[in-house]
Amino acid sequence: GENVEQHPSTLSVQEGDSAVIKCTYSDSASNYFPWYKQELGKGPQLIIDIRSNVGEKKDQRIAVTLNKTAKHFSLHITETQPEDSAVYFCAASKGNQFYFGTGTSLTVIP
Amino acid sequence: EAGVAQSPRYKIIEKRQSVAFWCNPISGHATLYWYQQILGQGPKLLIQFQNNGVVDDSQLPKDRFSAERLKGVDSTLKIQPAKLEDSAVYLCASSRSTSGRETQYFGPGTRLLVL
Repeated sequence: GENVEQHPSTLSVQEGDSAVIKCTYSDSASNYFPWYKQELGKGPQLIIDIRSNVGEKKDQRIAVTLNKTAKHFSLHITETQPEDSAVYFCAASKGNQFYFGTGTSLTVIP
Repeated sequence: EAGVAQSPRYKIIEKRQSVAFWCNPISGHATLYWYQQILGQGPKLLIQFQNNGVVDDSQLPKDRFSAERLKGVDSTLKIQPAKLEDSAVYLCASSRSTSGRETQYFGPGTRLLVL
């Protein structure tokens, strides 16, 4: 099966700085890579996703990059704000099967 | 559109008791997922339905867990009997497509504590 590794497990940044979270996957057949934000007491919410035919995607302050050859993808958050503080999960999917990373707890310090 | 609904939001039971969780997916979504999320970990798939058929239940502990999807819409997940290690958040998610590469939408989860 698929194995998704996520780093770092915790990340603290100053408000306004950038944050980068990295994930690797093992199954080259995976072709869809969503990122989720989970706030305390809530279910994960999709924030951005990328498909295997695209190398980069950006949505305002959030961007995701995908390197299919190296089988890794990254989430980039620029100009971080305190409300970005949450746990972020990456996932890799093939077909309808999703495999999640172990999460990154991001703290943005005002 | 309304999101994925789950109930109850919290449940505390003693070990060896039974418990059931309910999920109502987004209207029109063909695929429904149940995940178990242990504190500090990512969601782990328990079972996946496509309409009212099971697509994947390979990680469902079938000796104690069961799930059904009524008429291809609502779903229930049951644990009988519960063990201490079942303490977790149980997340339900749904997606529109049956062909994959589609966004999953998650409910708020049910937090289960087994004492």
